[in-house]
Amino acid sequence: DAGVTQSPTHLIKTRGQHVTLRCSPISGHKSVSWYQQVLGQGPQFIFQYYEKEERGRGNFPDRFSARQFPNYSSELNVNALLLGDSALYLCASSLGHRNSYEQYFGPGTRLTVT
Amino acid sequence: AQSVTQLGSHVSVSEGALVLLRCNYSSSVPPYLFWYVQYPNQGLQLLLKYTSAATLVKGINGFEAEFKKSETSFHLTKPSAHMSDAAEYFCAVIGNNDMRFGAGTRLTVKP
Repeated sequence: DAGVTQSPTHLIKTRGQHVTLRCSPISGHKSVSWYQQVLGQGPQFIFQYYEKEERGRGNFPDRFSARQFPNYSSELNVNALLLGDSALYLCASSLGHRNSYEQYFGPGTRLTVT
Repeated sequence: AQSVTQLGSHVSVSEGALVLLRCNYSSSVPPYLFWYVQYPNQGLQLLLKYTSAATLVKGINGFEAEFKKSETSFHLTKPSAHMSDAAEYFCAVIGNNDMRFGAGTRLTVKP
């Protein structure tokens, strides 16, 4: 079975632009979470979606938004990019949103803002 | 609020030596704890998880971790390091609707 897939793998953008990152969860998983991993740090939680509803939001500005589609895939959007948004963006899927469900991570999208 | 602290940002061991990566947690409720490994330019791979079923948890690649409530610890061990174990290791705890990670420990294995 395919794992969590993310696209694109790498992306270079200019300050002020916007970006859309995509994630497809493992088949049967209904929850998708997004994380930002800055070089040399652990991942930081951005959003969790379950059944197309936002279930959690981390401490990120409103420039960050996300949505989940009926097929449970998800998009992360970032507007007005800043240099500090350069990071590895990780998507994780799980069966549900309850604490007992482990999360499976995709390979990530490496975003570079110049 | 739930959180984890990883002690030591960098650990270096010789091939064949014991690997010990330290993680302490803070939680007001019984925690769900995880260890993930990240190889360069890749995502995170689950090594093992603790969900209160057993205090000694065995994971993949010969790793195991022991949950010690009295010490609020969940240290990761492997009896004999292999060159392929060189990677970044993250301890994590489930929060309200998110997973909260430590800062990571980079494991170097010397030949």
